[in-house]
Formats: sequence, C-alpha cells, structure tokens
Amino acid sequence: SYVLTQPPSVSVAPGQTARITCGGNNIGSKSVHWYQQKPGQAPVLVVYDDSDRPSGIPERFSGSNSGNTATLTISRVEAGDEADYYCQVWDISSDHPVVFGGGTKLTVL
Amino acid sequence: QVQLQESGPGQLKPSEALSLICTVSGGSISSYSWSWIRQPPGKGLEWIGYITYSGSTNYNPSLKSRVTISVDTSKNQFSLKLSSVTAADTAVYYCARKQTRNWFDPWGQGTLVTVSS
Repeated sequence: SYVLTQPPSVSVAPGQTARITCGGNNIGSKSVHWYQQKPGQAPVLVVYDDSDRPSGIPERFSGSNSGNTATLTISRVEAGDEADYYCQVWDISSDHPVVFGGGTKLTVL
Repeated sequence: QVQLQESGPGQLKPSEALSLICTVSGGSISSYSWSWIRQPPGKGLEWIGYITYSGSTNYNPSLKSRVTISVDTSKNQFSLKLSSVTAADTAVYYCARKQTRNWFDPWGQGTLVTVSS
C-alpha cells in the first residue's frame, strides 16, 4: 500500500516559518490533506486538496504539492500552533485507500 | 454546523467485541460518507473504514475480518463493531465525516477504549 513519510519533529521560533513535509511516490499526482492535532484533542482539518483552507483556518497555513513531496507551511508561527500535524491522501488504486502520514510534532521554541 | 459524538464502553476484556456509536447532529447523515479512525496512545492515526449513506462499506484490509460499520439513518447514527479485541486495539476511536474528495471533516471528540484483562 501507499506510504507517506513525515519527519518526526520540526522546531521553529515564534514568528518564523515552519515547513512540514510529506513524502510519497509521485504524491504530486494525488490530493493531499493536512490535519492539526493538539494534545488531548481531535484532529482538525487545516488544508485540503493540497492548498485550500477550510473556513476559520488562518491564512498563515498554506500547502503545496509537487513531485514526491507535499509541504505544509505555517507562516509567522505562534505558540498556539504547537501540535502534531498529519498528512493524508486517497490512494484510488489500493484496497487501503485512506493513507495517513506518521505525523510531525511541531515545537515552537 | 455538523457535530459528531462517539459513545460506547470505555473498557473491554480481550476477546470481547467493541461496539461504538457516532451520533450526527446539526445535519443529515444522508448524502455523505462516514468513517471511523483510531489512534493508539502516543501513536499516529489509523483508518478503520467508512460507510456511504447508501450502506456501501470499505474497510482497512488489516482489520477487515473483524470490522463492521453500519448506518441508521432514522437515528442519524452510524456504528462500529470490532470483534475479538486484544490489547493492540486499545486506542482513541474517532468518527468523522468523509467528504466527497476524500478528506475528513469534522471529527468527533474521540472516545478512549482500553482492552485489558
């Protein structure tokens, strides 16, 4: 089945830009969705279809997807952005169509 | 605004069956697909399966032999049954709405199910 690879952790200072990657074979041909999960809470969708934001999600959250890497970019990082972030794709050719990345812990220094 | 709420026993013994219900409020369960996703303590997200409003299902192959997801449109609920649980099934179980283009939003708050003798 399809595999998504995320770095276990990313650290960034407040006000800086965080970039969280999600690697997969030709992931650029798929739509990538991103979720934020704060401790003790359910995941929340922050980016869908590579780069679209649900209503209520700050413009600081953006996404891109090309080749073998999708990226979630968080600009002007705030302490409240500290969370786990998961990427997810739909693998239409698989009997395991819903695939999540392993998650990345974003630490705000 | 659609909201989801999981309910069911929080403690099970090995070999028992897990049974959870997700109640959908603020909107109709019809015209969407609905999913179960779980997260073992300290680990990542694992997709369990989904059901369409018409009753078609798709399950994670690793759980397929033990999983049943069903929908009750009259109650605006869908449910998860997982047979013969073991300690490896200990997790927070989330229900979520699967959008047409295959992302999940919104999610329920999650319910912890612990399997222990």
